[in-house]
Amino acid sequence: QQQVKQSPQSLIVQKGGISIINCAYENTAFDYFPWYQQFPGKGPALLIAIRPDVSEKKEGRFTISFNKSAKQFSLHIMDSQPGDSATYFCAASTSGSRLTFGEGTQLTVNP
Amino acid sequence: EPEVTQTPSHQVTQMGQEVILRCVPISNHLYFYWYRQILGQKVEFLVSFYNNEISEKSEIFDDQFSVERPDGSNFTLKIRSTKLEDSAMYFCASSGRNRGETQYFGPGTRLLVL
Repeated sequence: QQQVKQSPQSLIVQKGGISIINCAYENTAFDYFPWYQQFPGKGPALLIAIRPDVSEKKEGRFTISFNKSAKQFSLHIMDSQPGDSATYFCAASTSGSRLTFGEGTQLTVNP
Repeated sequence: EPEVTQTPSHQVTQMGQEVILRCVPISNHLYFYWYRQILGQKVEFLVSFYNNEISEKSEIFDDQFSVERPDGSNFTLKIRSTKLEDSAMYFCASSGRNRGETQYFGPGTRLLVL
């Protein structure tokens, strides 16, 4: 019940395209849903996060869509750039406790 | 911009040896965490630490692991007798004064147990 399922495992998009990564969770006690971006050899860096009282949050080219009834949330990267090529992890936590991470999505944006 | 730092960046050790991984959290943060990431796998929670004691630990964090905040700045993870399966990237993270704030991750220590 603590798991967060993430898909796809890898994603290739063309420059300027939209990248979409999906996550699903079971634990209804989760109340914080961040997305982290990780470059090779680096630690995860917070990209954007959402709480379940809103259905969407947008920061620049990055948008989280949240569907509480379906227990799903997704990351949309608009106008994808080669510099966005990285591994993306969704995560979830309850009241700021441990983060439970998804399996990760390796995004490649081709020039 | 304040950041979490970790040392060493890489460590190679023999099976059965003790290792200590060090972290300097962001200075005004009060919540500290260790996570690990086995190569090609997802990031897994190990332990959280607040007010000088463990607040939560995972099933991975057995008696071979311990954490300590020996002074006002460092936060350490000790593995007493390393196993081959402890080979992973270990990340320290910290978050602010209120529970629920963003966790900021360090760059990690890559541990290789031979």
